[in-house]
Amino acid sequence: AQKITQTQPGMFVQEKEAVTLDCTYDTSDPSYGLFWYKQPSSGEMIFLIYQGSYDQQNATEGRYSLNFQKARKSANLVISASQLGDSAMYFCAMREGLTGANSKLTFGKGITLSVRP
Amino acid sequence: GAGVSQSPSNKVTEKGKDVELRCDPISGHTALYWYRQSLGQGLEFLIYFQGNSAPDKSGLPSDRFSAERTGGSVSTLTIQRTQQEDSAVYLCASSFAPGPYGYTFGSGTRLTVV
Repeated sequence: AQKITQTQPGMFVQEKEAVTLDCTYDTSDPSYGLFWYKQPSSGEMIFLIYQGSYDQQNATEGRYSLNFQKARKSANLVISASQLGDSAMYFCAMREGLTGANSKLTFGKGITLSVRP
Repeated sequence: GAGVSQSPSNKVTEKGKDVELRCDPISGHTALYWYRQSLGQGLEFLIYFQGNSAPDKSGLPSDRFSAERTGGSVSTLTIQRTQQEDSAVYLCASSFAPGPYGYTFGSGTRLTVV
């Protein structure tokens, strides 16, 4: 079974509007971390936001927030006030176990976001 | 250095040749990771180094792939007898330690096997 699922087709949003990018995950480990990365056409991977499984509040970083619904195993990224520069591929990722030897991130297949002027 | 440095940025090689890809992580970062990204796809984990521990090689797709990390810093990913399906962008990342830290990725090496 896939550990990270991103099934939305290419997403489009009007500039200045908010957009939600979906991510569901699968793990039996009670300790895990969820990450979102942005990959513009230049190819670099840019870390956006992190949510730990024990965090009581949803993570926020500027215009990015993470809608964390633990019981549903979803970690959707919300981008408020979209900008043209937000057009990129967005990846959801999970690390099982917050510390220790098993520290690799497992990535979803990504979602392409296009912001229209 | 200020970021994760990878070289070369682009590599074109003939099928059957060996290639070496280099990654220079951020100074002080103890964890180093290699991922592969095929065109339009997500990132596929290859190998992970943490300090002096034995590396996690569980993602290496075949015994043609190997990696080493010398002195806990620079890492080299070697692909022997390259095949066309090895064509991809190879990304290196480093982090301060296992835990709730985001990785810092390099710009990648685009490998094309012809």
